[in-house]
Amino acid sequence: NAGVTQTPKFQVLKTGQSMTLQCAQDMNHEYMSWYRQDPGMGLRLIHYSVGAGITDQGEVPNGYNVSRSTTEDFPLRLLSAAPSQTSVYFCASSYRAGDNQETQYFGPGTRLLVL
Amino acid sequence: GIQVEQSPPDLILQEGANSTLRCNFSDSVNNLQWFHQNPWGQLINLFYIPSGTKQNGRLSATTVATERYSLLYISSSQTTDSGVYFCAVGRNQGGKLIFGQGTELSVKP
Repeated sequence: NAGVTQTPKFQVLKTGQSMTLQCAQDMNHEYMSWYRQDPGMGLRLIHYSVGAGITDQGEVPNGYNVSRSTTEDFPLRLLSAAPSQTSVYFCASSYRAGDNQETQYFGPGTRLLVL
Repeated sequence: GIQVEQSPPDLILQEGANSTLRCNFSDSVNNLQWFHQNPWGQLINLFYIPSGTKQNGRLSATTVATERYSLLYISSSQTTDSGVYFCAVGRNQGGKLIFGQGTELSVKP
C-alpha cells in the first residue's frame, strides 16, 4: 500500500491564483481530513469527510473548498490564494475498527507559499 | 469547542533520560491519539488511547478520561526520539481531531 499520498510536495502561488492540492489513499478508509500546520500553532482542521459525498467544515474552513466523489480521493481547493494561506498542508485518513478504535494516518504534506 | 493543552512546550534531554509529556483537554472525548512529528515533518501515530494504559517498546501512554488528561512516557530516550509530540482529541466524529500545540523534544547525544 502507498498509504496516503499528496501532490504536489511544494508549490508557490501568487496572490489571487487558484490551485488544488491532491490527496489520495489506497487503504479504503472511510474518513479523510485536511489540516494546516503553521509555526507554533499545531495542526488545525480545515475540512473533513466521513464518506464519499459527505463533507463538513473544521476549525478554519474559510478560503478552502473540498469534495469527496470517491472513497480514495479528497482534493482541497484554494479558490483565490492569500498570503495568510502560506502553510504546510496535511491530508489524513482513518477508519473505525471493530473495537471502535480510529487511528489517523497522515500524508507527507504539501508546503504552500503564497506571494 | 474542545481545548487541548500540552506541557511542557519544549524539552531538552540527554540520551538515556526519561520524560513525561502531558495533555489536558477541556471536555469529554472518545478519541485521543498521540503523534510524533519527526524533524523531516512526517507525522506518525503512536497511540490510540481514549482511556487506560498502553505500551509500545520504550513508549507508553496513560489516559485518565474522568480527569481529562493523558500522559506520554518516553524511557531511555534516543536521539531518534527528537521531534514534536502532539496530542489530538475527538468526539464521535470520524476524521475530526483537535490538536494541541505540541511538545518539542530534543534529545542530545
